[in-house]
Amino acid sequence: QTVVTQEPSFSVSPGGTVTLTCGLSSGSVSTNYYASWYQQTPGQAPRTLIYSTNTRSSGVPDRFSGSILGNKAALTITGAQADDECDYYCVLYMGSGISMFGGGTKLTVL
Amino acid sequence: EVQLLESGGGLVQPGGSLRLSCAASGFTFSTYVMSWVRQAPGKGLEWISVVSASGGSSYYADSVKGRFTISRDNSKNTLYLQMISLSAEDTAVYYCAKGTTMITGNYFDYWGQGTLVTVSS
Repeated sequence: QTVVTQEPSFSVSPGGTVTLTCGLSSGSVSTNYYASWYQQTPGQAPRTLIYSTNTRSSGVPDRFSGSILGNKAALTITGAQADDECDYYCVLYMGSGISMFGGGTKLTVL
Repeated sequence: EVQLLESGGGLVQPGGSLRLSCAASGFTFSTYVMSWVRQAPGKGLEWISVVSASGGSSYYADSVKGRFTISRDNSKNTLYLQMISLSAEDTAVYYCAKGTTMITGNYFDYWGQGTLVTVSS
């Protein structure tokens, strides 16, 4: 069974840039997977950042951007801030009504 | 303002059943796809089910297929999740999430605060 892959953890310096990726255990991610990205702090509901690969959700600062990099979907955060430190999840639409979350990336800002 | 309010969670014994509800407001409920997503304690998010705007089509993750049933009542602006044959692996916070107008390419743009389901004897 295909699995959606994300880096388990990543670290970035304050003010720095980081790119998180979202891939497939088998195959390449394209815009046909309608990648979306979500941010979650402990104990809170997720917050939508990006949908349809590269469209920012309402109210999301332009420090967050989505793209396809090589064979993966990517979330790039520029000018990292302390409150960006949380978990990030991607979702891929697999077809036939099925969506699949990646395992999530724990981002540390230090 | 979009609001999603889940209810119906609680403690249930293994093998038991539970029905979750999600009351929606602030948007035209009957126009949008709705989903359930869950999160086991200390774990990641897991998509479990989606229903079309009309309620005519629904899809499930393999982990819940045959045990969970998603439905909606557009006259009451409410989404449901009927769960049977529950096991400890179903222990999680269950979120309802508003989607797009079509299942193809669906994503989750608004989320409820979640309701906790604990399966334990």
